[in-house]
Amino acid sequence: GAGVSQSPSNKVTEKGKDVELRCDPISGHTALYWYRQRLGQGLEFLIYFQGNSAPDKSGLPSDRFSAERTGESVSTLTIQRTQQEDSAVYLCASSLAGGAGYGYTFGSGTRLTVV
Amino acid sequence: GQNIDQPTEMTATEGAIVQINCTYQTSGFNGLFWYQQHAGEAPTFLSYNVLDGLEEKGRFSSFLSRSKGYSYLLLKELQMKDSASYLCAVRDWETDKLIFGTGTRLQVFP
Repeated sequence: GAGVSQSPSNKVTEKGKDVELRCDPISGHTALYWYRQRLGQGLEFLIYFQGNSAPDKSGLPSDRFSAERTGESVSTLTIQRTQQEDSAVYLCASSLAGGAGYGYTFGSGTRLTVV
Repeated sequence: GQNIDQPTEMTATEGAIVQINCTYQTSGFNGLFWYQQHAGEAPTFLSYNVLDGLEEKGRFSSFLSRSKGYSYLLLKELQMKDSASYLCAVRDWETDKLIFGTGTRLQVFP
C-alpha cells in the first residue's frame, strides 16, 4: 500500500482482556518496528523485525506482550491480560533494509485505552 | 546502550529562528534522524545525518558532529504550524534499531 496502515485506530478494552493490534507495512519494506508512546512522552521501542532474522524483542516490557510477523508482511502485536498502564498509542513503522536516509514511515497508530 | 537527550520544551515567536539540540551517547552509531510529530498524529520524517556537517532542506536544517555526539535542528522563519514535538533518533550500527529521545515540544506564538 501507499503507507503504513494500522488497525484499529482506537481500542477501548477492559482490564484483564487480551487485545490484538495490526500493522500493514509498506510493500517491499523488510524492516518493521513497534513503538509505544504514552501521553506526552517519547517513543518507547518494543520490538523490531528485519527480514527473516530473529526479531529483536528487547523492548517488550513484560511477557504479556508478544508480536508476530509473517514474512515481510503483516505484523500483529498482542497484549494479554491488559493493565491500565498499557494505555498508550502503539505506533508501527516500516523501512527498507537499513533505512538508509529515507527514514522510517510510521502508521497513524492505535490508541489503546484500558478501563 | 544508547542515551539521547533533548530539551523538553521550547517556545519561539512566529518569524523567528529556533535551534533544538540533541546530544547522544551510543555504542555504535549509524545515522541520526529528526522527526516532527503534531499532537495526536504519527511522527513524520524531517531529516537524516550520517556524516558531519549541515544538511539544509528549505526552512529546516540539521547539523551533526559525530565526535561530539551532538546534533541540532534549525527551524527558520517559524510559522504557527511548526508548533509540534521534534524527535531526535539515533540508529544503532549493530542492530539497526532506531532509538528515540523523549522529544522537544515547540510552541510558536504570534
